[in-house]
Amino acid sequence: EAQVTQNPRYLITVTGKKLTVTCSQNMNHEYMSWYRQDPGLGLRQIYYSMNVEVTDKGDVPEGYKVSRKEKRNFPLILESPSPNQTSLYFCASSLTTQTANSYEQYFGPGTRLTVT
Amino acid sequence: AQKITQTQPGMFVQEKEAVTLDCTYDTSDPSYGLFWYKQPSSGEMIFLIYQGSYDQQNATEGRYSLNFQKARKSANLVISASQLGDSAMYFCAMREVNTGFQKLVFGTGTRLLVSP
Repeated sequence: EAQVTQNPRYLITVTGKKLTVTCSQNMNHEYMSWYRQDPGLGLRQIYYSMNVEVTDKGDVPEGYKVSRKEKRNFPLILESPSPNQTSLYFCASSLTTQTANSYEQYFGPGTRLTVT
Repeated sequence: AQKITQTQPGMFVQEKEAVTLDCTYDTSDPSYGLFWYKQPSSGEMIFLIYQGSYDQQNATEGRYSLNFQKARKSANLVISASQLGDSAMYFCAMREVNTGFQKLVFGTGTRLLVSP
């Protein structure tokens, strides 16, 4: 089954304790992206990757890191989480976006993060 | 300036009736794509429909259609014959050529409640 998986689905942590949210897709997609969703703000892009070893900042990259060592995986790293990073996080993937704009993004199930 | 504007925070409709969810967008790029996603209470993001800026006809997918008015920069989602399972958050999103298609910009969403 074609899918994007994220782990963990729920996480409660404390300020400053480094964490990683994993994202994996099995569709051989070149493009992957991370979003955060906050009430009243919709989804905002954190980072994206056009292919292996190619990553770039989205609209709200502060406090986050990513890496793309393999095509299928795109982990999101919070080196020192703070309460304002409490949010619902989505990973997404799609075929390359450089040639056509019709490819929809497939979303993971989401990770609900609470930082206390 | 908001790229995607969804002015209806919430909408109510009775089962079997049609409902229109509004979306206006702002771009100077001649090439762009417009998407609608559904987010049920379980949290996942489900792709519904796509409209390209050069498409001559309005997109349709089953009970979903997109009322695309390019001159007015609007891309309203029409759901015909509403069902109880249509109760969810709905997000309009846009992808532009001038960002190399990497970024999907979302609106703040409309919560639809379908009553029996």
